[in-house]
Amino acid sequence: AQRVTQPEKLLSVFKGAPVELKCNYSYSGSPELFWYVQYSRQRLQLLLRHISRESIKGFTADLNKGETSFHLKKPFAQEEDSAMYYCALRLDSNYQLIWGAGTKLIIKP
Amino acid sequence: DTGVSQDPRHKITKRGQNVTFRCDPISEHNRLYWYRQTLGQGPEFLTYFQNEAQLEKSRLLSDRFSAERPKGSFSTLEIQRTEQGDSAMYLCASSLERGGGYTFGSGTRLTVV
Repeated sequence: AQRVTQPEKLLSVFKGAPVELKCNYSYSGSPELFWYVQYSRQRLQLLLRHISRESIKGFTADLNKGETSFHLKKPFAQEEDSAMYYCALRLDSNYQLIWGAGTKLIIKP
Repeated sequence: DTGVSQDPRHKITKRGQNVTFRCDPISEHNRLYWYRQTLGQGPEFLTYFQNEAQLEKSRLLSDRFSAERPKGSFSTLEIQRTEQGDSAMYLCASSLERGGGYTFGSGTRLTVV
């Protein structure tokens, strides 16, 4: 079955340190991968998607089909990056997103 | 605010009662989605509309759940004979195209007592 796994429920790093939020998926077709972020008391919002190959707020993510991963990275964490991060997968056959359980990122001052 | 609006923000109901939630998507968006999220989990797909047509419905959705989007604009999600297990955050999202990202509403938090 299709699945998205975010192995870390909580990740805590110091300000200025590199950040990597892991996301692995299981799907044999052509996936579309997304990262969504939810800041405290705010709604879920799109951070980036793999087809855009963009960098948003200093974050990047590369789709690795061989390792079935879509890890989110930022070289220097900032305190405002503290939030809940969700990885999501869209199958090529339908319209729904399959979500990971999320990783809570805490940036310590 | 021209984003996705959901009403109400919170709903407390007694087990066995019916509840209805409303979602107003971004006006140009023809795609509308309902998801459910429980504590510690990511959102779980419930159903999807393209304009007024309901094109997909999760197998997890029991017959007690029904959704409509009568004019291709706002949508309603009704839960009949609520159970304690229905307690969750119900999220609505809309998008303009299949490959686009979603714009989410703030959600409706349902508590069944």
